[in-house]
Amino acid sequence: QVQLQESGPGLVKPSETLSLTCSVSGGSITSGSYFWTWIRQPPGKGLEWVGYTYHTGSAYYNPSLKSRLTISVDTSKNQFSLELSSVTAADTAVYYCARDKTRGDAFDLWGQGTMVTVSS
Amino acid sequence: DIQMTQSPSTLSVSVGDRVTLTCRASQSIGRWLAWYQQKPGKVPKLVMYKASNLESGVPSRFSGSGSGTEFTLTISSLQPDDFATYYCQQYQTNPWTFGQGTKVEIK
Repeated sequence: QVQLQESGPGLVKPSETLSLTCSVSGGSITSGSYFWTWIRQPPGKGLEWVGYTYHTGSAYYNPSLKSRLTISVDTSKNQFSLELSSVTAADTAVYYCARDKTRGDAFDLWGQGTMVTVSS
Repeated sequence: DIQMTQSPSTLSVSVGDRVTLTCRASQSIGRWLAWYQQKPGKVPKLVMYKASNLESGVPSRFSGSGSGTEFTLTISSLQPDDFATYYCQQYQTNPWTFGQGTKVEIK
């Protein structure tokens, strides 16, 4: 079955760019009709939808992050990525990649999450 | 953005209790609502989608109802495995938004 796995640095300095990758295994990122999504959760807080990409490369971002955010897809590597620039301590969170049941539906598949701390 | 408000923030209950969690949307979202269960240090797990559709593998003691702006998640007889935080999420309008969560804890 399809599985998701996040990877990337666990520590990022303030003002730098946070970069994460979600590798998709057990299926092709181009098959089906899914939004490949990033969701984050600050320590002790709730969930925040960050944005998603489609396998065609189109993307939609949370307006609160849009000016700093890029989500892209690499179909040759079967993965999608997140880049968040000019990070501050407020961007410290567990970052999850996820997939919806079908495009625009609820999230039924999640990665295990990766903790990213913004600190000097 | 559509604001999702969950109540109560914390619910102290006993095994075997009937539990009802509420989620309200700041504007109508039809039935485009999901519920997730999250245990400490774990990944959120989808419990219910389209307001009342039980996700595969989720026990039938969970049920969901509502439409428009008011929704409920009911656990008919709470089991030890159900102690967790539950989040609602609307996916009617971008940006998708989550409620702040309801923690179901042992009384």
